[in-house]
Amino acid sequence: AQSVAQPEDQVNVAEGNPLTVKCTYSVSGNPYLFWYVQYPNRGLQFLLKYITGDNLVKGSYGFEAEFNKSQTSFHLKKPSALVSDSALYFCAVRDGSSNTGKLIFGQGTTLQVKP
Amino acid sequence: EPEVTQTPSHQVTQMGQEVILRCVPISNHLYFYWYRQILGQKVEFLVSFYNNEISEKSEIFDDQFSVERPDGSNFTLKIRSTKLEDSAMYFCASSEGASGRYPTYEQYFGPGTRLTVT
Repeated sequence: AQSVAQPEDQVNVAEGNPLTVKCTYSVSGNPYLFWYVQYPNRGLQFLLKYITGDNLVKGSYGFEAEFNKSQTSFHLKKPSALVSDSALYFCAVRDGSSNTGKLIFGQGTTLQVKP
Repeated sequence: EPEVTQTPSHQVTQMGQEVILRCVPISNHLYFYWYRQILGQKVEFLVSFYNNEISEKSEIFDDQFSVERPDGSNFTLKIRSTKLEDSAMYFCASSEGASGRYPTYEQYFGPGTRLTVT
């Protein structure tokens, strides 16, 4: 079965420090991977995706993610965290058995950046 | 920048009543989706819609649910007889789709409608 795991409910980091939000996946076929961010009372905002090509993908707001096929991971990273990055982050994978591109989401990780 | 919009932002209804949640997807998108998120749980897929028909639905999407694209711009989710367990945040999403048969592009989500069933 297709699945996504985000092993950390919450990640705390000091402003200016690098951050990593972890994600591992299990899919049949080639993985199409996505990161979304949710601010309070807002919808899910697309950050970045991996479809094919370079393992390091860059996205919005200075975020990047590294695809690692051998470890089936797609960790979200940022070199220098901002307080405004504090939000709920979701990793998602396209269901490989679906012909409509439906997404399977992880449970979400709350990122808290402290000044 | 184009965005997906949803109305209302919050809907309170009594058990057994019908509700209609409305969405306006991004105008050039071809694939439309509804997801829901029960408080404290994962975002779950409900249904996808393409070419004016349901293309896929989850086991959650039973006979009490229906979707419609009545006028080429709105995309609605109807729950015929609401239950307490339908209380959740409902997200609409749309996707441009690939030139081929299967969409590969990212989905853009609306802000959600919080449905509270009492």
